[in-house]
Amino acid sequence: SYVLTQPPSVSVAPGKTARITCGGNNIGSKSVHWYQQKPGQAPVLVIYYDSDRPSGIPERFSGSNSGNTATLTISRVEAGDEADYYCQVWDSSSDLVFGGGTKLTVL
Amino acid sequence: EVQLVESGGGLAQPGRSLRLSCTASGFTFGDYAMSWFRQAPGKGLEWVGFIRSKDYGGATEYAASVRGRFTISRDDSKNIAYLHMNSLKTEDTAVYYCARDESGGAFDIWGQGTMVTVSS
Repeated sequence: SYVLTQPPSVSVAPGKTARITCGGNNIGSKSVHWYQQKPGQAPVLVIYYDSDRPSGIPERFSGSNSGNTATLTISRVEAGDEADYYCQVWDSSSDLVFGGGTKLTVL
Repeated sequence: EVQLVESGGGLAQPGRSLRLSCTASGFTFGDYAMSWFRQAPGKGLEWVGFIRSKDYGGATEYAASVRGRFTISRDDSKNIAYLHMNSLKTEDTAVYYCARDESGGAFDIWGQGTMVTVSS
């Protein structure tokens, strides 16, 4: 089955740039979607198809995908960005797969 | 307002059944595939299954962990998607979410979730 690997945690100071990676075998050939989930809340789609932003998501959120790694980048991090972030792909053999999630801490 | 609302969660004994509902509003429900997800306490997101729109035959797919026990159906006249859960196990304890598939597996609208606890 297809596996997506995320770092369990990432810490960043306010105003700096956070990068959350999502590793998978040849993930660059797949479409990657990213979700933000705050405690007690439902997930929110923040990036879809590798790098597109849904309406209402700040331009500070961006994504890229190449080779074996997809990356969610959050620029000018704010306290309100503190949350768990999940990457997700469809895989022909495993259906829908999530990464294990990354807890973003704003210092 | 575009919205999904789950209901039907609660406490169930192992081996019993439960049916969850996902009621949609604010969009043409029948045009979209819908998925169910779950999140065990303190754990990550897990996909449960999906149902395509009637234009795509209403086909369903399920995660291996629930295949043969869970069934997804939809009633487009009522704007409701259902998750029928049979032979429940303690490991099915989780918050269950439904979500709209905007395109190709990107889920842009989520419900608030409903808690299912399987315990004797």
